[in-house]
Amino acid sequence: TQLLEQSPQFLSIQEGENLTVYCNSSSVFSSLQWYRQEPGEGPVLLVTVVTGGEVKKLKRLTFQFGDARKDSSLHITAAQTGDTGLYLCAGPSNSGYALNFGKGTSLLVTP
Amino acid sequence: NAGVTQTPKFRVLKTGQSMTLLCAQDMNHEYMYWYRQDPGMGLRLIHYSVGEGTTAKGEVPDGYNVSRLKKQNFLLGLESAAPSQTSVYFCASRSGTGYALEQFFGPGTRLTVL
Repeated sequence: TQLLEQSPQFLSIQEGENLTVYCNSSSVFSSLQWYRQEPGEGPVLLVTVVTGGEVKKLKRLTFQFGDARKDSSLHITAAQTGDTGLYLCAGPSNSGYALNFGKGTSLLVTP
Repeated sequence: NAGVTQTPKFRVLKTGQSMTLLCAQDMNHEYMYWYRQDPGMGLRLIHYSVGEGTTAKGEVPDGYNVSRLKKQNFLLGLESAAPSQTSVYFCASRSGTGYALEQFFGPGTRLTVL
């Protein structure tokens, strides 16, 4: 199993602050995905990164894939209470049919 | 489109009871998955299917069985429930084409085994 380590495990910040969460592995991935899960719901895909060094922006969210394709980061600018949730990174399993998920970063944004 | 739906949303079982969780998708996806999510453990793959009539074991398959008799449905069975199976269960599906492996998730089933 290709392990994905996410940090920090928990993060509590105030509205307007910036934050970065990380997803690291010792394995090389052909692609990495970030999902957000809100309380009581299933995860929803935010982005897929496929090229080493790639940077993708989704409004206030910036995703980066490491040059060696072993790690990724998610940066949120001026966090809002609506950003609260569990952020999961995922990469293809060895079989290629499934995904391996990290344990997630639980983000709480307070007013 | 309803996307991925799961039945039931909540269930309480006694140890030793059996039950079946139903997942249905209306996106004509080839691949379907069952995960369990426990606090601090992330999403762990139980079983998956790459097409009608096929199933395969995931990371934590013990105590569970699955069936994919129709392309749109993926059933997860617990033959003799144990307290360790208390969890939130998520079903997901994805298209069989494309490299990005985007998965679409259902809303989850919260199962408590007493």
